[in-house]
Amino acid sequence: DAKTTQPNSMESNEEEPVHLPCNHSTISGTDYIHWYRQLPSQGPEYVIHGLTSNVNNRMASLAIAEDRKSSTLILHRATLRDAAVYYCIPGDKIIFGKGTRLHILP
Amino acid sequence: GAVVSQHPSWVICKSGTSVKIECRSLDFQATTMFWYRQFPKQSLMLMATSNEGSKATYEQGVEKDKFLINHASLTLSTLTVTSAHPEDSSFYICSAHPGLAGGLGTDTQYFGPGTRLTVL
Repeated sequence: DAKTTQPNSMESNEEEPVHLPCNHSTISGTDYIHWYRQLPSQGPEYVIHGLTSNVNNRMASLAIAEDRKSSTLILHRATLRDAAVYYCIPGDKIIFGKGTRLHILP
Repeated sequence: GAVVSQHPSWVICKSGTSVKIECRSLDFQATTMFWYRQFPKQSLMLMATSNEGSKATYEQGVEKDKFLINHASLTLSTLTVTSAHPEDSSFYICSAHPGLAGGLGTDTQYFGPGTRLTVL
């Protein structure tokens, strides 16, 4: 399984964009990059995933580096509901690291 | 779409009793389901992988005789915590992987809301 590195925590102001970075330098060529988030006392929620190209959905965008050793989850306009722990998970086996705890300031 | 439910959402039991937790995929068939455990302020830990019609695969350090997993159909997996003790108190979360046959075209997993187990 690829090792990931994410900041322990980040802060952002409400209604501003948020860029959550993830390093996964040991990712293999066929591994998808998944992002999940977990709100307090809930199960994880799928956010987005990609392989090589940048991806957009209604929740977020995923920017993947050309060498695939890093990716960035982009929340275009953060709301208080986006406060959660965000996990970057490369590979087909969903193994959770420590993630990034995102705080949204009103 | 892609909804996974768990039942019960919380349970309190006495030490030494067994507790069964159900995980259902409501709108897709799940060839593979996963069980995780999460202690307070920690990340989720994968316990086992459950494949429909075959034995579960347990992660290292997880006792298979204590955590019995049954994946009897493509929409239901159960986790039974046998002879539960206070140290088994945790948040148990399942996820379902539809596989390509599920029509979602990815290896994305969808998670249930979790079951909080408290053993007195």
